[in-house]
Order: sequence, then structure tokens, then C-alpha cells
Amino acid sequence: QVQLVESGGGVVQPGRSLRLSCAASGFTFSSYAMVWIRQAPGKGLEWLTLISYDGSKTYYADSVKGRFTISRDNSKNTLYLQIDSLRAEDTAVYYCAREERLTSEYWGQGTLVAASS
Amino acid sequence: QSALTQPRSVSGSPGQSVTISCTGTSSDVGGYNYVSWYQQHPGKTPKLMIYEVNKRPSGVPDRFSGSKSGNTASLTISGLQAEDEADYYCCSYAGSFTFVFGGGTQLAVL
Repeated sequence: QVQLVESGGGVVQPGRSLRLSCAASGFTFSSYAMVWIRQAPGKGLEWLTLISYDGSKTYYADSVKGRFTISRDNSKNTLYLQIDSLRAEDTAVYYCAREERLTSEYWGQGTLVAASS
Repeated sequence: QSALTQPRSVSGSPGQSVTISCTGTSSDVGGYNYVSWYQQHPGKTPKLMIYEVNKRPSGVPDRFSGSKSGNTASLTISGLQAEDEADYYCCSYAGSFTFVFGGGTQLAVL
């Protein structure tokens, strides 16, 4: 069965960088585009970024362009999200999801990032 | 990339039907037939309920249905059940492989 497991979250000082990981299993990871979505505490969902199946193309929401970088390692079945210059407003649960037919059907359980000094 | 507009809350009694609207623009909801709906219970991961406007993934009850007219998509839940009480989010493709979510709607089953 499809499984996505995020890791790398935690309490990080504002201004620092952080890399989140998403380990995929149960499907051919290299055949699917992947996305990151976040949810601030008590708030709604925010789409962040998408990467093509082979990593050659990336797309970002305007709100994170230039500060977030999505990447993948298909040999390790792992998706990444690099967050630079962390801000207080980046505090959220970060979900990875598998993209198919322009729909995110399978989601991980999320990893919490808290920007705090 | 402005968020889609959803009512903050809706409510209904068991057995009734409710409809949640999701209003966007011609650049997202109105421009593509790629609207999806997610159900999220407190502390849980969102679950896909509807995709491509009106298609249901395997395992989702047929009480859940989706539609679209112009720049507004809708999720209708018929025969409300207590377990339907949750937050619901719409999501639309917005072109150039970007997406936008709605602000979410809290459904109360009274």
C-alpha cells in the first residue's frame, strides 16, 4: 500500500534553514510527481510546491518562491523540502503527497515545523 | 494565487443534505475541471473525497458528490451522518502546475 512518511521537523530558530524528508514506499516513486502542502496551527491548507516525476521541473506558490526548494532522489525513494530563512509564519504541519491526474490522493501524516527562538 | 472562498461553517441534522460552495475565478475553478475536495477530522491527515469535480475515489460513500458551475464548485453530502462532522477543503488546479486551496469549511452535524 502507498505509504508516505515525513521527517525532519522540529523547533528551529527563525532565520535558520531546515530540510524536510518524505520517504515513499508501496508504489513506483519515480513515476509520480510529488507535492508539499502545509497547514499552520488552526488554519487551512496551503499548497506549496510540485516536482515532476524525474525532478526536472519544479513549481512553487508565490508565497514561498525563492525561499523553499523541492527536490527528490528517486534512487532513495525520497522527496525533500529545503526551507531557508525560516520565519515565524512558516510554523505549520508539512505534508507530502503523491500527485496523479492533478490530484493529491495519498498524503503522509505530516511533520511539524515550529519557528521559535 | 488567492485562496478559494468557502463558507466558514455549515450545519445540518442527521439524514439531511448540505452543500459546501467553493468560489474561485476563471483562472482556477472556472478554467479547469480539476477540483478536488478533502475531509479532515481534528488531528488527522486530509482525506480525498472528490476529484476532477465529481469523481469519487474507491471507498468514498456515494453520499458525497461534487459539481461545478462557472467559477463555483460544490460538495454535497446527502444523508448526513455524525461521522461526517469535519473540516472540508476544496482545491483547484490554477495552471502552470500550481494549485490553490479554499479556506476550509467546518461542518457541524447537529
